[in-house]
This record gives sequence, structure tokens and C-alpha cells, in this order.
Amino acid sequence: EPEVTQTPSHQVTQMGQEVILRCVPISNHLYFYWYRQILGQKVEFLVSFYNNEISEKSEIFDDQFSVERPDGSNFTLKIRSTKLEDSAMYFCASSEVSGSTGELFFGEGSRLTVL
Amino acid sequence: SQQGEEDPQALSIQEGENATMNCSYKTSINNLQWYRQNSGRGLVHLILIRSNEREKHSGRLRVTLDTSKKSSSLLITASRAADTASYFCATAFIQGAQKLVFGQGTRLTINP
Repeated sequence: EPEVTQTPSHQVTQMGQEVILRCVPISNHLYFYWYRQILGQKVEFLVSFYNNEISEKSEIFDDQFSVERPDGSNFTLKIRSTKLEDSAMYFCASSEVSGSTGELFFGEGSRLTVL
Repeated sequence: SQQGEEDPQALSIQEGENATMNCSYKTSINNLQWYRQNSGRGLVHLILIRSNEREKHSGRLRVTLDTSKKSSSLLITASRAADTASYFCATAFIQGAQKLVFGQGTRLTINP
């Protein structure tokens, strides 16, 4: 069964460092997303990406964040200068149709720890 | 706030019993979805119910939606130890907007 894969599964970084989280969405999906979950809290929307551009983003997704689809398979989230409060589990998701109309398929997540 | 809110926050029942989790939201929706998350793992889609539907079944899962009360419930019948997980409702509010807004979740524990 096709699945969304994410790497790394866990990354530890120093505050102020750049981090890139990688995702391989399901191959025939057209919509891509990043969500995050701070430990013990709810899952929060960061950004959606469609047709090679950001289609929607949340207030959390400030100038320190960027997304890219560098080739036909990868979808990346970059945090330019990490802060302590960026420590969270980051989930990539993809869908065939818009998230407002169909289900999302999530990866297993990348745990980011900022020291 | 557009947030979905689940209750209870935690539920502990015996294997074989039914588990009911509720979700409330504040604005009009296009659909409401339920997801499951095992500890430290990704979210798995369980069921989607559209705003013009009132009830939907999938195996041991039954979801209801009451748009007049802006609420939904997820019923798991004949619970099993493997159903132990956190369950989240997620709402899609506006046609064309792509984000889902997740609630706080219900942590369900099934005791053998």
C-alpha cells in the first residue's frame, strides 16, 4: 500500500541552526501539507502546497519556514533558524483531492528537538 | 475559534465495551474527519462524513454528524485492546480551503 515517508525520524539540533525535513508523498497525490504537533498538544496546520506553490499557510508559518518541491517526488520543510519552541513532531501529509474534500495520508513524522 | 473540541479528553473502558467520543466545532463545515494516532506515530484516517450526511459506518466504527448542534460523535463498538490510541476529529471549514483543523483529541485506553 502506498505511503508517505518522512526523514529523518528524529533530529536534534542547536538553537539557531537550519533544519530540513524531508517527505516523499504518495506518487499520484497533488496536494501536500505540513502539520506539527508539540508534545501532548493538538495537531496544528502549517502549510499546504499545490501546483508548485503555497496555497494556504497558518500564522505559525512565518518567514523562518519555507517549503519546496525540488523534484517530482520530494517535499521539504526548511526551518532557517530554529528556536526552542520549534521542538515538535512534524508531519507531512498528501492527498489526491483538496484537504477540504477528502482524506489526508500522513507520514510517521519527524521529531525535532531544539536544544 | 474554529477549533474542534473533543470530549472526553481521556476514556478508559473494558475490552468488549463500546467507546463513544464527541467532537464540537464552531463554524460551518464542508466535512468532518476522524483520525487515529497511536502513541508517537502518524495519524491514520478513519472516516469522513460530509456536511449533508448524518451517519456513516465503517466496520466497528459509527460516526454521526449533527450540523444544527455543530457536533459529531465517533462510536467504536466491541472495543479491543488494539483500539487503544488517541482519536482526533478534524474539520474542513470552507470549500476550497485545504487545511484541516484538529481538535485536542481523546485518549482511549482499552483494558483487557
